[in-house]
Amino acid sequence: GAVVSQHPSRVICKSGTSVKIECRSLDFQATTMFWYRQFPKQSLMLMATSNEGSKATYEQGVEKDKFLINHASLTLSTLTVTSAHPEDSSFYICSAREGAGELFFGEGSRLTVL
Amino acid sequence: GQQLNQSPQSMFIQEGEDVSMNCTSSSIFNTWLWYKQDPGEGPVLLIALYKAGELTSNGRLTAQFGITRKDSFLNISASIPSDVGIYFCAGRPIGNQFYFGTGTSLTVIP
Repeated sequence: GAVVSQHPSRVICKSGTSVKIECRSLDFQATTMFWYRQFPKQSLMLMATSNEGSKATYEQGVEKDKFLINHASLTLSTLTVTSAHPEDSSFYICSAREGAGELFFGEGSRLTVL
Repeated sequence: GQQLNQSPQSMFIQEGEDVSMNCTSSSIFNTWLWYKQDPGEGPVLLIALYKAGELTSNGRLTAQFGITRKDSFLNISASIPSDVGIYFCAGRPIGNQFYFGTGTSLTVIP
């Protein structure tokens, strides 16, 4: 299957700082990428849908000024958690679509805000 | 967003036993996907289904796209310890959005 790479896999930061997470499709062009948040032992919660070259569509309740998403190319989307606080600590996962087919996921990024 | 009903929520089985889990939705889906997620990792695609009634296997795993297009099933035969993890279904109606099941946590007892 197609490969989606996410970086960093783990990040620890101080409260008030901003953190950027990258999601790359390595062997295909992803016109659409998705960002999720996952709490322990729970399913994936969709945060936003990112289309290349246009603004991301955020799910209800997700602060777009808090979670900045950029999809500048067909192989890269970034999620920036701005002014992070301890409650933002979570597992963040991206996924990408190859055409109209399957959804492939990155390895996930564990964010810990101290 | 919408979540699919996935059951059972958790399973504890003996090694060698077969496993069955399913997902249901209130609306018709065009695509069903099944994923496995290990702790601290992203979900890995196991099987993709695109047509009602479709039955697809991947090794010891078999998944079916329900005829009503509102459900899907995943079976694991002769379970082994490395099958441990959380299994998620994902479904896509007409359009771009995928919806996820609540997950089934599988524990295999050696």
